[in-house]
This record gives sequence, structure tokens and C-alpha cells, in this order.
Amino acid sequence: DTAVSQTPKYLVTQMGNDKSIKCEQNLGHDTMYWYKQDSKKFLKIMFSYNNKELIINETVPNRFSPKSPDKAHLNLHINSLELGDSAVYFCASSFLAGEDLTDTQYFGPGTRLTVL
Amino acid sequence: AQSVTQLDSHVSVSEGTPVLLRCNYSSSYSPSLFWYVQHPNKGLQLLLKYTSAATLVKGINGFEAEFKKSETSFHLTKPSAHMSDAAEYFCVVSANTGGFKTIFGAGTRLFVKA
Repeated sequence: DTAVSQTPKYLVTQMGNDKSIKCEQNLGHDTMYWYKQDSKKFLKIMFSYNNKELIINETVPNRFSPKSPDKAHLNLHINSLELGDSAVYFCASSFLAGEDLTDTQYFGPGTRLTVL
Repeated sequence: AQSVTQLDSHVSVSEGTPVLLRCNYSSSYSPSLFWYVQHPNKGLQLLLKYTSAATLVKGINGFEAEFKKSETSFHLTKPSAHMSDAAEYFCVVSANTGGFKTIFGAGTRLFVKA
């Protein structure tokens, strides 16, 4: 009955490789997000999709490409991985059309990416 | 424009003593405010949220926060700390500015001493 799930939990790879992280939510939410958390715990939003459409695209290298096949999934593909990409990546979801009219986000457990 | 400032990067308390984690915000809109907790190597969990109803908000695990518009603050408190409260806490401000804009604070690390 996991609400927001991510795979894999850990990802160790070499510089220059291409990798993907998958996210799925079963909350019926209409909006999904990707965040990057650095070693100092600072959370930075990368992308947000509402009903499969990109609504937030912060200053992120174009090596990062999100893909949303449907409202319940938002995957993150990273090309040509660099050392600085090492971080924990969190997926989140929310229901912007909800009655309380807030952006209450629910987070996945995170994917720890280590680039060697 | 919106911003959120967590006034302490680290807070250390003894078990059984009160906890106070401070958060100030700035928003040109009517914001919603949240506190999230992140335990080591875990995802973020919603503790509580304020959405323009009662200014004193009760959350999980005995935490509560009070929205003070005059002070633009949303401090998180708990009467008695438990060892399991040791974690990173994030204050978040969000408003519909023609599209939702949600901003996370830098986090406060809570240490609880036995």
C-alpha cells in the first residue's frame, strides 16, 4: 500500500553513463515532482508535471529529462552522468485540484545516486 | 515573492525537554505553511500544515505549530522531546501565485540527548 514509490533505492554508476529513476504514486494525485537533495540536505525542485504536462522546469542541465507516461508515473532519465550529480533524488506528488486548494506534497523514500 | 527562513541550522535538546524549531516566512499571497520531518536515510513525512483555518495546528507525534501573521512566523513546538524525534525538519511555504509556488527552508537538524 505504498503511496509514492521509487526505484531503485540505491544507484551506483560510473561517470558518463546514462541512468533512469522511476517513480509511481497510487494516491490519485494529478501533480508529480522531482527534487534533488544535496549533501547539506538542501532540497531543490527540478521538475513538476501536472496531468502529464510540464509545469515547472527549474534551471537543470538538459542531461536531465523527465518523462510522464501517465498521471501516476514520473520517471527521470539522466544522460552522461557527472560527479556533481551524486545526491539523493526524491519524487513527490500532490493533488492541486483538491478541496483544500493546497500543494500538500507526499514524498517517496528517495534514490541515492552515487557517481564514481 | 515568497521565501522561508529556518532560523537555526541545528538545535540540541535533552530528552523530556521542550522543542522549539523556528521558521519565518515571507509571502505576498495567502500562504499555506507546512512542516516536514526527514529521519536519517528516509523520505520526507508531513508533520502538519496550516491552511488559513485555525492558527494553532496540531500534527503527528505530539508536534504543533502556531501561525502568527503579525510576526510572519510558523514555529514548530513539542512539549517533551523523545529520542525518536532526532531528525531533519523542513519548514515549507506554498501559495497559488497563478500556479503553485512551493519553497522549502534549508532545514533544522534536531539532536536529542539522553
